[in-house]
Amino acid sequence: AQSVTQPDIHITVSEGASLELRCNYSYGATPYLFWYVQSPGQGLQLLLKYFSGDTLVQGIKGFEAEFKRSQSSFNLRKPSVHWSDAAEYFCAVGPPLPSGTYKYIFGTGTRLKVLA
Amino acid sequence: NAGVTQTPKFQVLKTGQSMTLQCAQDMNHEYMSWYRQDPGMGLRLIHYSVGAGITDQGEVPNGYNVSRSTTEDFPLRLLSAAPSQTSVYFCASRAGQNYEQYFGPGTRLTVT
Repeated sequence: AQSVTQPDIHITVSEGASLELRCNYSYGATPYLFWYVQSPGQGLQLLLKYFSGDTLVQGIKGFEAEFKRSQSSFNLRKPSVHWSDAAEYFCAVGPPLPSGTYKYIFGTGTRLKVLA
Repeated sequence: NAGVTQTPKFQVLKTGQSMTLQCAQDMNHEYMSWYRQDPGMGLRLIHYSVGAGITDQGEVPNGYNVSRSTTEDFPLRLLSAAPSQTSVYFCASRAGQNYEQYFGPGTRLTVT
């Protein structure tokens, strides 16, 4: 069955420290991969996406993610966390072309807390 | 562009009442979706549409109806509200199958 796993429900880091949020997926083929961020009371904002090509992708707000096919992973990283990064982060997969399905699958999210 | 807009932002219903959550987008996107977000469960797809006049069920469609008469609008109808439908509802749109989704700000619904 298709699924996305974010094994860390909560993560706490100090401001200025590095960050890595984990995402693993199970899918019949290499899907399209996304990371979204949700600030409290807000909708989801796209941080970055991977469709093909270079497996290290850069996103907004200084985030990057690396696609590792052998590990079915798409981990999100940031070298130095800012207090404003405190939010909930969602990994998602989407169907690659050609495909008969349209549906995105979301992970259950990782809530990031940043200590001053 | 306003992007994806949703109304209302908050709503309280009594069990058995019906209502419609509105969603509109001004980006001429073909694909639109409704999700519900519940603590610890991420986002779950309720219904989606790949164009005007075309809708299909997602993961959790029971108790909800949708229609897509125009490209811009994709309302979600709760037929007879139940406490289990207490959730935050998000509408999303995208230009095509291999494009990222844009999300609305959400509607927080409480059913008592």
